[in-house]
Amino acid sequence: DIQMTQSPSTLSASVGDRVTITCRASQSISSWLAWYQQKPGKAPKLLIYKASSLESGVPSRFSGSGSGTEFTLTISSLQPDDFATYYCQQYNRRVTFGQGTKLEIK
Amino acid sequence: QVQLVQSGAEVKKPGSSVKVSCKASGGTFSSYAISWVRQAPGQGLEWMGRIIPILGIANYAQKFQGRVTITADKSTSTAYMELSSLRSEDTAVYYCARDQDTVTPVDYYYYMDVWGKGTTVTVSS
Repeated sequence: DIQMTQSPSTLSASVGDRVTITCRASQSISSWLAWYQQKPGKAPKLLIYKASSLESGVPSRFSGSGSGTEFTLTISSLQPDDFATYYCQQYNRRVTFGQGTKLEIK
Repeated sequence: QVQLVQSGAEVKKPGSSVKVSCKASGGTFSSYAISWVRQAPGQGLEWMGRIIPILGIANYAQKFQGRVTITADKSTSTAYMELSSLRSEDTAVYYCARDQDTVTPVDYYYYMDVWGKGTTVTVSS
């Protein structure tokens, strides 16, 4: 199985900050990567697919980049609604998720 | 607008089985696949498997092979996930999700774009 490793596991930031979350794959996955946001007690919400394509309805402050084994999710200016847990997911071979990054208020 | 409505919470004894349903509305059920993903308390997301209803073909994560069965009933636009030989570690929220497939000449790739609200399964003696 392809392993996905996210860093950091926890990130403390303030409203208005620019934040970046990194996701590394154990082998090349081309651009077959998605990012999800999950809030407590809720289902995950798709943000980004194919590494950098923004899902319809998702604010443009979210962006994704990368290919091969290293990927990033960037939030350009944090809003109060963005404090949540973020997961990357590879879909090159079957599906595996990263362990998650909890974005909390500083 | 596709919506996925899952069945209610379940409490099961160790060694028993559970069957969770996921009813789709607002789209053409047979035109997409359905994946099942679970999340243990305080833990991350774990893909279990998926089914392509129009073909009736399911594939499973290796970890769950032999213990999980995913089926679909096209007449009711409902997918099912049955997990057997339950143990306490199977206590989790189980989600169904619609797959968005990209098909190429050599392979197919899928991510999940619409999710059900989840079904809590508690395994306890």
